[in-house]
Amino acid sequence: SQQGEEDPQALSIQEGENATMNCSYKTSINNLQWYRQNSGRGLVHLILIRSNEREKHSGRLRVTLDTSKKSSSLLITASRAADTASYFCATDPKPQGAQKLVFGQGTRLTINP
Amino acid sequence: KAGVTQTPRYLIKTRGQQVTLSCSPISGHRSVSWYQQTPGQGLQFLFEYFSETQRNKGNFPGRFSGRQFSNSRSEMNVSTLELGDSALYLCASSWTGEDQPQHFGDGTRLSIL
Repeated sequence: SQQGEEDPQALSIQEGENATMNCSYKTSINNLQWYRQNSGRGLVHLILIRSNEREKHSGRLRVTLDTSKKSSSLLITASRAADTASYFCATDPKPQGAQKLVFGQGTRLTINP
Repeated sequence: KAGVTQTPRYLIKTRGQQVTLSCSPISGHRSVSWYQQTPGQGLQFLFEYFSETQRNKGNFPGRFSGRQFSNSRSEMNVSTLELGDSALYLCASSWTGEDQPQHFGDGTRLSIL
């Protein structure tokens, strides 16, 4: 079963705009991770944020984590056509049960030139 | 450094057959995890191996099995294939698997006729 729920399911914006994706989850976590997947390819790790962290940056990416609300957001600034992909949040649950990483259903991001 | 390598990339089988998929992790990584990705169920965790031992197992039937060799390479086997087993099977590796990003291969696309 999917723990994470991502919002929106699909997002289409113009190149240069910012894109924000949200993720909600249900259980306590060790960390939350964001991944990108281009069509037909594997997942590429973007950022890992631990449960005691509130915000993390990597280049044009900014991730926030609110453990009280069990939610996270991924912000991509100054979007580019190459950012077109599906983005997934994944939680590392605590304590770890049957699930290693629990993925959301993903947000399909389209950047229009 | 070479990434995670999965073979074969594409596979077509018929119902009732069995299949073996292979995964070579990044050099030095000892944890290998397997995931199934389908349009309906999304990304679901199958199992994780660490130092040749299964450390975690997802909620899949016993037809799905795996193993890990002393060089950390891993195989997963699916017996008595069903139409619903059609999916992209992804392998991911990390140093120890604990609180770390996962590095994914491009997957094996399995189609059941």
